[in-house]
Amino acid sequence: EPEVTQTPSHQVTQMGQEVILRCVPISNHLYFYWYRQILGQKVEFLVSFYNNEISEKSEIFDDQFSVERPDGSNFTLKIRSTKLEDSAMYFCATPAGAMNTEAFFGQGTRLTVV
Amino acid sequence: AQKITQTQPGMFVQEKEAVTLDCTYDTSDPSYGLFWYKQPSSGEMIFLIYQGSYDQQNATEGRYSLNFQKARKSANLVISASQLGDSAMYFCAMRERPGSARQLTFGSGTQLTVLP
Repeated sequence: EPEVTQTPSHQVTQMGQEVILRCVPISNHLYFYWYRQILGQKVEFLVSFYNNEISEKSEIFDDQFSVERPDGSNFTLKIRSTKLEDSAMYFCATPAGAMNTEAFFGQGTRLTVV
Repeated sequence: AQKITQTQPGMFVQEKEAVTLDCTYDTSDPSYGLFWYKQPSSGEMIFLIYQGSYDQQNATEGRYSLNFQKARKSANLVISASQLGDSAMYFCAMRERPGSARQLTFGSGTQLTVLP
């Protein structure tokens, strides 16, 4: 059973629309991460979230992006006004293991902005 | 500056042969962790193996082993007895100060193709 489950698996949206990507952990994790992978490119860090606050964020994570944990279990990434260049695979991840020696990724959400 | 470098954009290996995927890293932090992930064409990121900077022995997980050479700052992944299902993109990643749960920094990946 995966540590995290992401929904939807694929989303197509019109440019300028808002999208919300969801991540549901299996067990109680304090740390969450969002990563992005543009097709054919490396995986890039967006933001880390610890105990209901942003811990770190990259320069990619601008005002268009926000993260929330609205109900204490789901963890969301919102893109307010999507652009064509937001088309990518978005991964939620959690550290695991006694010393964070593992890191599990959700199956990803493939976002296509048209 | 590039923290993780994977110099092989593509690799081919014959089924049942062993293959080594290269990874070099750069950090001034004495405490770090190195990860390898497999990404099949379906897109998910599958955790394969982890090596801590203070681990005395090279990590192994089934057919995967990590050839960790700390002085050279290299952490190559060795896959023994390749199978057709091993065809995928492989990413090396690093986390500095692993106990702090900082984010992972990824390399650009190596596309491995296993030939029948």
